[in-house]
Amino acid sequence: DAKTTQPPSMDCAEGRAANLPCNHSTISGNEYVYWYRQIHSQGPQYIIHGLKNNETNEMASLIITEDRKSSTLILPHATLRDTAVYYCIVSPGDKVIFGPGTSLSVIP
Amino acid sequence: NAGVTQTPKFRILKIGQSMTLQCTQDMNHNYMYWYRQDPGMGLKLIYYSVGAGITDKGEVPNGYNVSRSTTEDFPLRLELAAPSQTSVYFCASSYGVRQPQHFGDGTRLSIL
Repeated sequence: DAKTTQPPSMDCAEGRAANLPCNHSTISGNEYVYWYRQIHSQGPQYIIHGLKNNETNEMASLIITEDRKSSTLILPHATLRDTAVYYCIVSPGDKVIFGPGTSLSVIP
Repeated sequence: NAGVTQTPKFRILKIGQSMTLQCTQDMNHNYMYWYRQDPGMGLKLIYYSVGAGITDKGEVPNGYNVSRSTTEDFPLRLELAAPSQTSVYFCASSYGVRQPQHFGDGTRLSIL
C-alpha cells in the first residue's frame, strides 16, 4: 500500500473551512484515497473516499489532484464537534492501514 | 440496527492469562478487521477476514489468533497475555473491497 504524509496537527476557526492536506506520491492506479476521523477515544468514522474524481457528500469534499499524488479533505464549515484526528489512507481496498493522521483542533 | 458490537468494553488481565475479544456485526458484511491502538498512536491492523473461513495476517499478528466460522462473528483470541498487549482493540466490518469500514466502540484491555 502507498504511504501517505499528513501534517501532525492543524487549527481551524469555528465556522471556517478546514482544508486537510495529504501527500501520496507513490499511489498506484488501483488504489483509492480514503478519509476517516477519530473523535477522542471513539472508533474511527468513515468520511469519504475517491479514486480520481472529486467527491462530495454530506460531511465533506475530497479534492484529488490530476496526477493523484496528493489530495485535500475539505470540511466546509467546521464546528467544535469536528475536533478529531483525521486519517488519510491509500489502499486498493482489501485492507486499510492507518497512519498517525492529522489532529485537527477547531477553535471558537 | 446495532452495527458492530464489541464485548467486553473493559477488561483487566494478569500476565499469562488468556481471553477472547468478541466482535459481531448485523450488516451482513463480508469483510471484518481487528485493529489495536496504543495510547497516542494510530491504528495497527492485526488480522482481517474476507469471508467466513478465510483469515489473513495484518501488520501486527504475533500473539493473537482469529477465526471466522460465520459471517457475523470474528473473535480475537489472546493466548498468553503480555503487558505489550495493553491497548484499545477495535473491530470493523465492510460490505466488500473499497467499501467504507464501520467500527465498533472498542475494548480497552489492560494486562498487569
